Amino acid sequence: KQEVTQIPAALSVPEGENLVLNCSFTDSAIYNLQWFRQDPGKGLTSLLLIQSSQREQTSGRLNASLDKSSGRSTLYIAASQPGDSATYLCAALTGGGNKLTFGTGTQLKVEL
Amino acid sequence: GAGVSQSPSNKVTEKGKDVELRCDPISGHTALYWYRQSLGQGLEFLIYFQGNSAPDKSGLPSDRFSAERTGGSVSTLTIQRTQQEDSAVYLCASSSQGGGNTEAFFGQGTRLTVV
Repeated sequence: KQEVTQIPAALSVPEGENLVLNCSFTDSAIYNLQWFRQDPGKGLTSLLLIQSSQREQTSGRLNASLDKSSGRSTLYIAASQPGDSATYLCAALTGGGNKLTFGTGTQLKVEL
Repeated sequence: GAGVSQSPSNKVTEKGKDVELRCDPISGHTALYWYRQSLGQGLEFLIYFQGNSAPDKSGLPSDRFSAERTGGSVSTLTIQRTQQEDSAVYLCASSSQGGGNTEAFFGQGTRLTVV
């Protein structure tokens, strides 16, 4: 059974800092790993998707890496802004492509 | 539509009543997921539909929960005899055919409150 863990559970940083969010998964037989953002009371917004054959993906100030063999992914946010404040979730697609298993998220607060 | 649409956005119901939650996936997406998110908790997998295959119901918490997907498109999640612990946000997602580049897109969710 796939288990996904995210560390830290919460993070508070001053504006402008670069930061790293961590995601680990127990079953390395994944199809892909996806990072999402969730704002309070809202649904999930897809940020980045890394296929199992890829090492990293970049979108603007976001960079996600994947190390399948060690069961880890990181989301790097450069020059953080107050608008980045949200909960960030990673999810691994496994089991014949039929189940997205989510971590419990990292709640990020970027302060002025 | 342009995205995954869920209705209603909010539902308050009395304990013991049945409720139906609806999900309209992105047109052409063959895969559809239901998840539940209780207050302050992570996402809990409920059920998965893929094309005409038998659904993966392994996440449904009890036999009061059921879901169907008609014509390979719209899905309805039904909760019978609701209990207070059913209060949560119910999220639906859809994706194209499974594989490494399969990206899941979520609706805004239905917030269910059982009083």
